[in-house]
Amino acid sequence: QKEVEQNSGPLSVPEGAIASLNCTYSDRGSQSFFWYRQYSGKSPELIMSIYSNGDKEDGRFTAQLNKASQYVSLLIRDSQPSDSATYLCAANSGYSTLTFGKGTMLLVSP
Amino acid sequence: DVKVTQSSRYLVKRTGEKVFLECVQDMDHENMFWYRQDPGLGLRLIYFSYDVKMKEKGDIPEGYSVSREKKERFSLILESASTNQTSMYLCASSTPGSGNTIYFGEGSWLTVV
Repeated sequence: QKEVEQNSGPLSVPEGAIASLNCTYSDRGSQSFFWYRQYSGKSPELIMSIYSNGDKEDGRFTAQLNKASQYVSLLIRDSQPSDSATYLCAANSGYSTLTFGKGTMLLVSP
Repeated sequence: DVKVTQSSRYLVKRTGEKVFLECVQDMDHENMFWYRQDPGLGLRLIYFSYDVKMKEKGDIPEGYSVSREKKERFSLILESASTNQTSMYLCASSTPGSGNTIYFGEGSWLTVV
């Protein structure tokens, strides 16, 4: 069974701080990894994808991948209250399909 | 931008009714998916399709069927709705050309009473 594990949270950080979200995956064959943000009552929206070991930066967001440790993380710098949401980690799990973690709830307090 | 449209956003159906959830994408994506999302259980794949008239079972296909007669349209069918199918249903699409990144529709909230 291919699995993606995330701490459910909530992760609480003050405004302006760095939020660090983590994810592990079980399938060593996974090559593509994704972070989605989901606001309450809304559908998931893509934040970032990462395919290679190392860091990938996009604005305030940095995704990190370590395939040897089967570990993916998302750093959010200068966290804002509008970043409060559930963050879903996903890994590809076969032909075009993704396995999703259950998500980590992030709360950013003003 | 990728647009995945789920025509029915909020539905209330009775137990035993046949339910159709329709999804259309406008980006010529080969792959389309139906997920359901429940508190504490996360996103679970019901069915997916990688071509017209093709379908593959996901993790929880029981009680569901799908239809893909045209590339842009993927329908989820609940043959006889049951209360345990009350959930949010998410349609999505992807293409190998964009690294198989999955793009979601806005979701359909189904309540079966």
